Amino acid sequence: DAGVIQSPRHEVTEMGQEVTLRCKPISGHDYLFWYRQTMMRGLELLIYFNNNVPIDDSGMPEDRFSAKMPNASFSTLKIQPSEPRDSAVYFCASSPSSPYEQYFGPGTRLTVT
Amino acid sequence: DQQVKQNSPSLSVQEGRISILNCDYTNSMFDYFLWYKKYPAEGPTFLISISSIKDKNEDGRFTVFLNKSAKHLSLHIVPSQPGDSAVYFCAARSIQGAQKLVFGQGTRLTINP
Repeated sequence: DAGVIQSPRHEVTEMGQEVTLRCKPISGHDYLFWYRQTMMRGLELLIYFNNNVPIDDSGMPEDRFSAKMPNASFSTLKIQPSEPRDSAVYFCASSPSSPYEQYFGPGTRLTVT
Repeated sequence: DQQVKQNSPSLSVQEGRISILNCDYTNSMFDYFLWYKKYPAEGPTFLISISSIKDKNEDGRFTVFLNKSAKHLSLHIVPSQPGDSAVYFCAARSIQGAQKLVFGQGTRLTINP
């Protein structure tokens, strides 16, 4: 298996632009997670899905952030409009129902100028 | 409220010696603990885990110890190798939190030749 795939690996955009991050989870995994990593806050969970249904989005910082999972093999995290404080590394991870180990993608480094 | 704490931001160990990474937690509802390793520009990779019903789990050079009464876990690496230089995160899963993991801030381990 190729592991969790994320695209793009790097994204540089201007403030106010829409940003879309993409993720393909490991085949057969029931859960998909979106994380954000910053120096100040570490690795924080934004939202996670079970069988394509959002279960907990309490970590989504504000309405500018939205996530979808239209099918078992694809998810997007969208930021509209983007702001400089959104600059971070965004990770996607997936896991089976059991055990609880999550498998992370390589991340997308987002820079908003 | 940081439920999982790694109080040492960095640790330096000589090659061949033992590396001990520590993690403290506050939530008594945590029932499963994991360690992840992260290299620069990569996503975290799962290393080893332990259920709260055990106090030790071993996998090759890696051993995780859990002290529930002290709410403390540690990761021992013996012997330490240069390739072990990375950032190590401990994470915990709560009975109430389903598949959610709470991560510590990480400890940067450097193995010196």
